[in-house]
Amino acid sequence: SQTIHQWPATLVQPVGSPLSLECTVEGTSNPNLYWYRQAAGRGLQLLFYSVGIGQISSEVPQNLSASRPQDRQFILSSKKLLLSDSGFYLCAWTVGVIGYGYTFGSGTRLTVV
Amino acid sequence: SQQGEEDPQALSIQEGENATMNCSYKTSINNLQWYRQNSGRGLVHLILIRSNEREKHSGRLRVTLDTSKKSSSLLITASRAADTASYFCATDAFVQGAQKLVFGQGTRLTINP
Repeated sequence: SQTIHQWPATLVQPVGSPLSLECTVEGTSNPNLYWYRQAAGRGLQLLFYSVGIGQISSEVPQNLSASRPQDRQFILSSKKLLLSDSGFYLCAWTVGVIGYGYTFGSGTRLTVV
Repeated sequence: SQQGEEDPQALSIQEGENATMNCSYKTSINNLQWYRQNSGRGLVHLILIRSNEREKHSGRLRVTLDTSKKSSSLLITASRAADTASYFCATDAFVQGAQKLVFGQGTRLTINP
């Protein structure tokens, strides 16, 4: 069966420090991968999506970047965190054929101090 | 960007009552999906309704879709305390050649025992 792993679960980082969040999917090949951010009490904002290795599309200009070094690995990074980067980050995947639900990871709560 | 509005933003009812949440969206869609999020957790896919469907059932869930009005509703019948969560609608479509799931702001549902 397919599973998605996301870590760490929580992270407290100082302003100006780097960030690396990792997401891996098991049990499927060539998934579409997504990074979302959720502010407190709000909906999800799509940050990045990827349809294949090395193929990254950004939805919102920001302090973050994403990479997909392997088929089932999606990484969210920042060189220097800002206070405004705090939030709940969620990774998701779908099969790449429209008409199927998306599966979400358990999320990473990032607090920038 | 957010796809649309969800109504109400918060809903509090007694256990055993029915809960209805509404969602409006702005663009053409392939399908609309509903997700549930327990506090501080990832999202769980509940149900998907395709653009050529008008109603769908899954257990105690009933979803309707009106593409002429660009709206959907989620009905939870015979609510239970365990249904307390936030519920999000999301539209799935190809936008500029990429499959994207765009979320509303969500409805926070509280079931009082």
